[in-house]
Amino acid sequence: GESVGLHLPTLSVQEGDNSIINCAYSNSASDYFIWYKQESGKGPQFIIDIRSNMDKRQGQRVTVLLNKTVKHLSLQIAATQPGDSAVYFCAGPDPTGNQFYFGTGTSLTVIP
Amino acid sequence: ETGVTQTPRHLVMGMTNKKSLKCEQHLGHNAMYWYKQSAKKPLELMFVYSLEERVENNSVPSRFSPECPNSSHLFLHLHTLQPEDSALYLCASSQNGRGRNEKLFFGSGTQLSVL
Repeated sequence: GESVGLHLPTLSVQEGDNSIINCAYSNSASDYFIWYKQESGKGPQFIIDIRSNMDKRQGQRVTVLLNKTVKHLSLQIAATQPGDSAVYFCAGPDPTGNQFYFGTGTSLTVIP
Repeated sequence: ETGVTQTPRHLVMGMTNKKSLKCEQHLGHNAMYWYKQSAKKPLELMFVYSLEERVENNSVPSRFSPECPNSSHLFLHLHTLQPEDSALYLCASSQNGRGRNEKLFFGSGTQLSVL
């Protein structure tokens, strides 16, 4: 079946370094992706989204890159801070467009 | 605050109990969702309501019964649950619920433990 997943379950980075979190998907017709951040004790929070007619989109300290050829997207966090420690999910629509598939998440730990 | 409020935050119940989870959204959205989040597993969609009509039911056992009295409120009634139902239950809302390009806004969840 169709799926959206993440490459690594955990990632540790030094404070101030850049973080890169990767996600792969299987449905080549997927046209919209969202990255969510989930902190301990909270629900997932929207970070940034990207449509398939774009290769890159930038927000505040975050950049999402979409490579449709290899069906891969990544979330880059610049100058990672302790407050960035959380689980990060990518999500993409199923073929019907009625729901999103969520990845299993990458747990990011920022080392002071 | 995301504009989606869930109560209670924590719930412990026995297998013979009946309890309800409540969700309220203050965003003026037309669609509301229940998701289940278990450790080491992706979020699982349970139910979708759009304009108070249930439009999605992902083969959820009948011991989970949703109710959507209006577009701002969503309930999940629980009855005769099993220990494997212990999980974080997340409510979410979105503008329309039928489009491909919609952001979901999540509540903080109810952490449910079934003994």
